[in-house]
Amino acid sequence: DIVMTQTPLYSSVTLGQSASISCRSSQSLVHSDGNTYLNWLHQRPGQPPRLLIYKISNRFSGVPDRFSGSGAGTDFTLRITRVEPEDVGIYYCMQATDFPRTFGPGTKVEIK
Amino acid sequence: EARLLESGGGLAQPGGSLKLSCEVSGFMFGWSGMTWVRQVPGGGLEWVSTINNRGDNTHYAESVRGRFTISRDNSRNTLYLHMDSLRAEDTAVYYCAKDVSLGSVSLFEYWGQGTLVTVSS
Repeated sequence: DIVMTQTPLYSSVTLGQSASISCRSSQSLVHSDGNTYLNWLHQRPGQPPRLLIYKISNRFSGVPDRFSGSGAGTDFTLRITRVEPEDVGIYYCMQATDFPRTFGPGTKVEIK
Repeated sequence: EARLLESGGGLAQPGGSLKLSCEVSGFMFGWSGMTWVRQVPGGGLEWVSTINNRGDNTHYAESVRGRFTISRDNSRNTLYLHMDSLRAEDTAVYYCAKDVSLGSVSLFEYWGQGTLVTVSS
């Protein structure tokens, strides 16, 4: 199974400042079709997860450009610039390159 | 607008059964692989099972293999998860989500609101 790890597990951010979350996979996420199926999800309490970024760096429809994804192979980063109050919650990376699909443990983001 | 509506959750006894449903609208269900993901309250996300768009290829987490069965009815735009031999550790909120899809570059962009399954005597 591909193990997903995230750092940090907790981040306290000042409004208007930036935050970065790292995600590492235990093996390459490059699929045989050439795509890298690394997604970033955001979840607020009591809500289902919401897709932010798919295939490393593609923002899903309606996601603010304050969110950006980067990386390749086994190392990936989600960056949030100009953090706003609605950005609090838990951020998960997940891989859909192989089965079982696996998720990172989540990074809790709070506002200072 | 895509909508995924789960139902069928509730209280079950250990060793019992439940069948979850996920009724879909707003995207091409018949072109889409579908996945069940669960989350223990206060915990992280755990993948449970995936079925391809035709329903002829399925995958299961080791923790549920042999006890859970994923299926779909494309004529009804509905995904199912039949859960047998339930255990206390199956207690979680169960979400259905769109997985890889023909003609779509994104995946896991649509999620249901979740249905709570509680396994307890």
